[in-house]
Amino acid sequence: SQTIHQWPATLVQPVGSPLSLECTVEGTSNPNLYWYRQAAGRGLQLLFYSVGIGQISSEVPQNLSASRPQDRQFILSSKKLLLSDSGFYLCAWSTRLAGVGLGETQYFGPGTRLLVL
Amino acid sequence: SQKIEQNSEALNIQEGKTATLTCNYTNYSPAYLQWYRQDPGRGPVFLLLIRENEKEKRKERLKVTFDTTLKQSLFHITASQPADSATYLCALESGYALNFGKGTSLLVTP
Repeated sequence: SQTIHQWPATLVQPVGSPLSLECTVEGTSNPNLYWYRQAAGRGLQLLFYSVGIGQISSEVPQNLSASRPQDRQFILSSKKLLLSDSGFYLCAWSTRLAGVGLGETQYFGPGTRLLVL
Repeated sequence: SQKIEQNSEALNIQEGKTATLTCNYTNYSPAYLQWYRQDPGRGPVFLLLIRENEKEKRKERLKVTFDTTLKQSLFHITASQPADSATYLCALESGYALNFGKGTSLLVTP
């Protein structure tokens, strides 16, 4: 069966410090991968998605970046954190339908709660 | 721009009653719509997917309807239980990803 892992679970970082959040998926190949952020009282905001190794699409311009060094690994990074980067970061994967490239059901990880002080 | 609206007010119902949540959308012609459940501090969990050519879909105590003319989906939980208390999100396809509504909080009291 497929599983998705995220770490760390919780992170407290000072403003201006770097960030690296990691997400790995097991039990599937060639997944679509996604990073979302959920701020307090707000909905899920899509940050990045990837349909393959090295292929990253950004949905929202900001000081965050994403990389996909391996098929089932997705990393969210920042060189300098802002207060507004605080939130609940969720990684998700979906099956890449053959010939379509469009994922359907998304499966979410447990999330990382980030607090920037 | 594409917009998904869910009732921002929490829905409080008594155990055993049917809960009905609404998802309205504009500027979309989605091929399918999904519903997810999210518990506090956890990631959303997929519940149901309904396609544009399906009017209704059921899974145990859950029922979803999809009216592409009204641009609306209704999510029903029959014989609700306190364990059904959570936030429920609807989501529509958006290219390679999903666009989620902000969710409606459901509280089922004994």
